Amino acid sequence: DGGITQSPKYLFRKEGQNVTLSCEQNLNHDAMYWYRQDPGQGLRLIYYSQIVNDFQKGDIAEGYSVSREKKESFPLTVTSAQKNPTAFYLCATSGSYEQYFGPGTRLTVT
Amino acid sequence: LAKTTQPISMDSYEGQEVNITCSHNNIATNDYITWYQQFPSQGPRFIIQGYKTKVTNEVASLFIPADRKSSTLSLPRVSLSDTAVYYCLVGDMYNYGQNFVFGPGTRLSVLP
Repeated sequence: DGGITQSPKYLFRKEGQNVTLSCEQNLNHDAMYWYRQDPGQGLRLIYYSQIVNDFQKGDIAEGYSVSREKKESFPLTVTSAQKNPTAFYLCATSGSYEQYFGPGTRLTVT
Repeated sequence: LAKTTQPISMDSYEGQEVNITCSHNNIATNDYITWYQQFPSQGPRFIIQGYKTKVTNEVASLFIPADRKSSTLSLPRVSLSDTAVYYCLVGDMYNYGQNFVFGPGTRLSVLP
């Protein structure tokens, strides 16, 4: 919260469709992250970016793609190749010693 | 990366002090210990961070023994609104490329 916007809050898609989750920040932070959270579980890292036009895979990158064309934006695309896309997706930034998280997007795929 | 172990759940009553301990036996020299709080359907929120000894802020204290193989988050006089999941993370917070692993955390339930 506070400087990180994720939209929409809830998202519904049909199986087989790609969907893009938005993450925008005005904190002027270089590093941005995407996490996935399943019910009762911790957060798992999907992708992270330390600088514009560069990003790295996290632990569960398969079925996801990202871009970092601007410092402020780090959109995540959930592709049809992701077998279990229904989850809570969190975007985060880091400028110094802590991570700041957005409000999250709850994606439901049926 | 240092692996952390913390209790899955804890119960407490309003007004009590709650201590949540995290074990991190293979903590590295450059690693800091950071605690986050997460409410349902929200992103985690930073609580406190420390390297050694004791750190205190307006919401919590963090106790770290000399060997740094464990740490204890202390929440004074908890209220119902402190019911949440608490995560202990260990890592070099200035290394942005590091994968900060959020385990299942400790689910704290504060009862009236």
